[in-house]
Amino acid sequence: NAGVTQTPKFQVLKTGQSMTLQCAQDMNHEYMSWYRQDPGMGLRLIHYSVGAGITDQGEVPNGYNVSRSTTEDFPLRLLSAAPSQTSVYFCASSAHREGDSPLHFGNGTRLTVT
Amino acid sequence: SQQGEEDPQALSIQEGENATMNCSYKTSINNLQWYRQNSGRGLVHLILIRSNEREKHSGRLRVTLDTSKKSSSLLITASRAADTASYFCATPFGNEKLTFGTGTRLTIIP
Repeated sequence: NAGVTQTPKFQVLKTGQSMTLQCAQDMNHEYMSWYRQDPGMGLRLIHYSVGAGITDQGEVPNGYNVSRSTTEDFPLRLLSAAPSQTSVYFCASSAHREGDSPLHFGNGTRLTVT
Repeated sequence: SQQGEEDPQALSIQEGENATMNCSYKTSINNLQWYRQNSGRGLVHLILIRSNEREKHSGRLRVTLDTSKKSSSLLITASRAADTASYFCATPFGNEKLTFGTGTRLTIIP
């Protein structure tokens, strides 16, 4: 049982490059979300989805796009990477609405933008 | 956005001792969750306590919730080296979002 799988584990980008962080879950969870974790800032919500075809913005959405074409996958796209996007990114899923149900996290993608 | 805040920011104790960390939040909630994060890994859910519950147990973990004071505590009894991790409280924001505090970094000294 894989749970939430994130790829890649590490990535280095140059300013201005674009890339997609992949997230897949095999638990048939409706709710998925992306967080970034920075030292001293805790986790901040970037985007979330309550089901296939439905996405919404979180606390820090600028510079990121998401889509949810299937229940299983929720990729996060960085359109034009900036050094301020250097962070650890976590994908999470939950069976019910996120505020009322435990989150299952992936192991993260550590992104460095130079 | 609403956010829980953990206290203390860091805690070091001897193996076998109990560890207590606290979380305060700002507005009324219907539940509060605690998570653990080992170094370099994702967060792992520990306990969810609802607003109509005052206390909840899971193994060596005990969580309390005081809605009148808008605070929660996580007690880890008989600590082990493997409990070394960061611990986060999380509270709902709106119907569909969960917000996290900045965490308590717990170190168990063997």
